[in-house]
Amino acid sequence: SAVISQKPSRDICQRGTSLTIQCQVDSQVTMMFWYRQQPGQSLTLIATANQGSEATYESGFVIDKFPISRPNLTFSTLTVSNMSPEDSSIYLCSVDPTGRQETQYFGPGTRLLVL
Amino acid sequence: RKEVEQDPGPFNVPEGATVAFNCTYSNSASQSFFWYRQDCRKEPKLLMSVYSSGNEDGRFTAQLNRASQYISLLIRDSKLSDSATYLCVVNGPGGSQGNLIFGKGTKLSVKP
Repeated sequence: SAVISQKPSRDICQRGTSLTIQCQVDSQVTMMFWYRQQPGQSLTLIATANQGSEATYESGFVIDKFPISRPNLTFSTLTVSNMSPEDSSIYLCSVDPTGRQETQYFGPGTRLLVL
Repeated sequence: RKEVEQDPGPFNVPEGATVAFNCTYSNSASQSFFWYRQDCRKEPKLLMSVYSSGNEDGRFTAQLNRASQYISLLIRDSKLSDSATYLCVVNGPGGSQGNLIFGKGTKLSVKP
C-alpha cells in the first residue's frame, strides 16, 4: 500500500488566479495520476505524471491549464491555472505502487471552490 | 454509450439485507476490473478486484461476465458501516496501463 498526503486540503480562490496542489507519497512510485471529481460526477483522469518525462494528458485537458511537475519519485504538483468557477471540484492524486494495474491508492483530495 | 454505467441509486436497505449492484462497461478490451468504495467527502478506496472466476471477500461477492461486459457486487448481511458510494472501475482503452475509468457510483444507505 501507499500513504498519500495532499496540500492544501481545501481552498477558496478568486477567478483568474492559479492554485498549485501538492501530492506527497511515503514510498517511491513510478506512476502518479491526477484526477478531478466534480460534484455528483465520477472521477475523471486529468493526466499521468511519470518522473523524468512530460505528463500525459487525457482528452479535454491541456498542459497550459493544468501544468504538472514530477521532480522525483515521491512528489508531484498539479497547478490549476487562470481559474474559473467551472474549475470548482475535488482534485485527487493517486499512485499505482506495483505498476501492474492491480490497484490505485488515492490521496485525501483537495477541495477547490472558485468564486 | 458511457464507458462505465451504474445505477446511481440510492439503494436504501435495512440492516441485514442483501443488496446487489450492477455495472456495464463499453470497452471489450478492458482487462482489469475493480469495485471501489467512497465514503462521503473521502477519497475512493479499493474494495476488491473482480476476477473472471468471480471472487468473494467475507460478505462481499464480485462477479464478471466478459461476454455481456457486466460486473456485479453482492453485499450480504448489510451493516450500517456499509453505507457509502460504490464505484465500478475498469481499465481504459486498449488496456492502457493506469488509465482507470470510473463509473459515477451507486449510493447505498443502510438503515437500522
